Amino acid sequence: EPEVTQTPSHQVTQMGQEVILRCVPISNHLYFYWYRQILGQKVEFLVSFYNNEISEKSEIFDDQFSVERPDGSNFTLKIRSTKLEDSAMYFCASSEGSGANTDTQYFGPGTRLTVL
Amino acid sequence: GDSVTQMEGPVTLSEEAFLTINCTYTATGYPSLFWYVQYPGEGLQLLLKATKADDKGSNKGFEATYRKETTSFHLEKGSVQVSDSAVYFCALSEDYGQNFVFGPGTRLSVLP
Repeated sequence: EPEVTQTPSHQVTQMGQEVILRCVPISNHLYFYWYRQILGQKVEFLVSFYNNEISEKSEIFDDQFSVERPDGSNFTLKIRSTKLEDSAMYFCASSEGSGANTDTQYFGPGTRLTVL
Repeated sequence: GDSVTQMEGPVTLSEEAFLTINCTYTATGYPSLFWYVQYPGEGLQLLLKATKADDKGSNKGFEATYRKETTSFHLEKGSVQVSDSAVYFCALSEDYGQNFVFGPGTRLSVLP
């Protein structure tokens, strides 16, 4: 069964450093998403991406964040200058479409980001 | 804006007990409704889904019915197992919406 994959599973970085989190969505999916979950808290939407551009983003997704689909298979989230409060589990998701029958999002296993 | 409310956890049950986790939502349109499950140390897995009023989603003995009149999507299982111990998230997606709104999650612990 096709699945969303994410690398690395765990990333440790120093405050102020740049990190890139990588995701490979399901191959025939067209919509891609990033969410984050601070330890013990709710899952929060960051950004959605379709047709090579951001379609929606939350207040969390400020200028420090960017997303890119550098090739036909990868979808990346970059945090330009990490802060302590960026420590969280980051989930990538993809969906086939956005209508009622195609909007189910399939999630990757997550990347745990620890900022020291 | 849209929101999802779930019953506060943690919920602790004995094996074979009946489970209900309440979920209610607020939405401007006609959302699809989902339950996702997160096992310890893992990501989010789709458990079940319903796309319109009175639809019942079911999977692995779990079921939930989309109740538009009460804006609810309560999760039920007749007989829980220790392996059902996890965090359960209710979520919605608006028609042609692009992001999910998740509830805060309900932690379920099932004791043998």
